Amino acid sequence: EVLLLESGGGLVPPGGSLRLSCAASGFTFINYAMTWVRQAPGKGLEWVSAISGSGGSTYYTDSVKGRFTISRDNSKSTLYLQMNSLRPEDTAAYFCAKGLRGRSGYGYGLDVWGEGTTVIGSS
Amino acid sequence: QSVLTQPPSVSAAPGQKVTISCSGSSSNIGNNYISWYQQLPGTAPKLLIYDNDERPSGIPDRFSGSKSGTSATLGIAGLQTGDEADYYCGTWDISLSAYVFGTGTKVTVL
Repeated sequence: EVLLLESGGGLVPPGGSLRLSCAASGFTFINYAMTWVRQAPGKGLEWVSAISGSGGSTYYTDSVKGRFTISRDNSKSTLYLQMNSLRPEDTAAYFCAKGLRGRSGYGYGLDVWGEGTTVIGSS
Repeated sequence: QSVLTQPPSVSAAPGQKVTISCSGSSSNIGNNYISWYQQLPGTAPKLLIYDNDERPSGIPDRFSGSKSGTSATLGIAGLQTGDEADYYCGTWDISLSAYVFGTGTKVTVL
């Protein structure tokens, strides 16, 4: 069974840092691009960042560029999101998701999602 | 602010059909595959449609997708109470080099 399990969420004061993890199982991790998506309370889905299978290519939404860093450890089948300089507007549930096809398949859809981990940027 | 526009809500009686539109531009829908996601209350999103009109295994054929130009449509036939959820379209935007989601549509079964 293909599974994604996020962890690392919590309450962080503005300006603080947090690292989210997403442990993958049930598929050959390196063969797929991976993505982080967030959802603020009562709001819609917002794409945050994506990374190629090799980790050599990364993409970010404008509001997190320079503050968030996506990375992956293919030997551990784990995806990460390092979040720095957190703002109250970063408060959201963060989901990791698997790309539908290919190591650079960013636009084909997201076929497996984790249950999410919650980040609260507040003092 | 999303670059893909959806109606905020649609509703119909059980057994009826609803359609949800997703309007974009040549930099996103016009040049890439569209996907649709269903998010039941309190749960993670689930892929419903990919490659414009394909269903993953396990998704009933009551759900259908289509694309024309810079717009796409999700259809839900034989509406059931279990279909009450939020639905989002999504695709890659080549100008933004980012994946974009639609504004989301809440489906209500009357």
